[in-house]
Amino acid sequence: QKEVEQNSGPLSVPEGAIASLNCTYSDRGSQSFFWYRQYSGKSPELIMSIYSNGDKEDGRFTAQLNKASQYVSLLIRDSQPSDSATYLCAFYSGAGSYQLTFGKGTKLSVIP
Amino acid sequence: KAGVTQTPRYLIKTRGQQVTLSCSPISGHRSVSWYQQTPGQGLQFLFEYFSETQRNKGNFPGRFSGRQFSNSRSEMNVSTLELGDSALYLCASSQQVPGNTEAFFGQGTRLTVV
Repeated sequence: QKEVEQNSGPLSVPEGAIASLNCTYSDRGSQSFFWYRQYSGKSPELIMSIYSNGDKEDGRFTAQLNKASQYVSLLIRDSQPSDSATYLCAFYSGAGSYQLTFGKGTKLSVIP
Repeated sequence: KAGVTQTPRYLIKTRGQQVTLSCSPISGHRSVSWYQQTPGQGLQFLFEYFSETQRNKGNFPGRFSGRQFSNSRSEMNVSTLELGDSALYLCASSQQVPGNTEAFFGQGTRLTVV
């Protein structure tokens, strides 16, 4: 069964600090990985996608993928109170899969 | 460019009734997926359609069904509603072509079954 595990949180960081969110997955055939941000009462918003091993940076966000360790992470630099939300990691498995499998999410609180 | 549009935003239904939810994908996106989100189970995949064909189905009872039209708009239907069907129903659209599988969600339909 394809599963995604995220650190449960809640994770509290002070404003300006780096927030580190982690996710492990069980399906070695996984090819595409995503991070979504979901504010309370809202729908998930795609913030990062990563397809190959290594780091991918976009503004204050950096996604890191290590397929050998089946591990994907999201770093948020200079955390702001507006980053307070639940962060969901998700993946497609190998070729022929069109469903995203989501982790349960990590709730992040950025303290001013 | 308009995003994914879901209607209605909120619904209250009685047990035993049926409901139809609608989703209009981003222009040019031919893949539409549906998810159910509840506090206990998180985001659960319902089904995915591409060019009017269902390619994947999640582990939900047959009361949950869907379809996609030639203009890529999609509907999902839940018959014989149960209290446990109360959830946020989310639609996501994607191009689903090699190298571009990013999925974008609509605002969701909040269904309450009483």
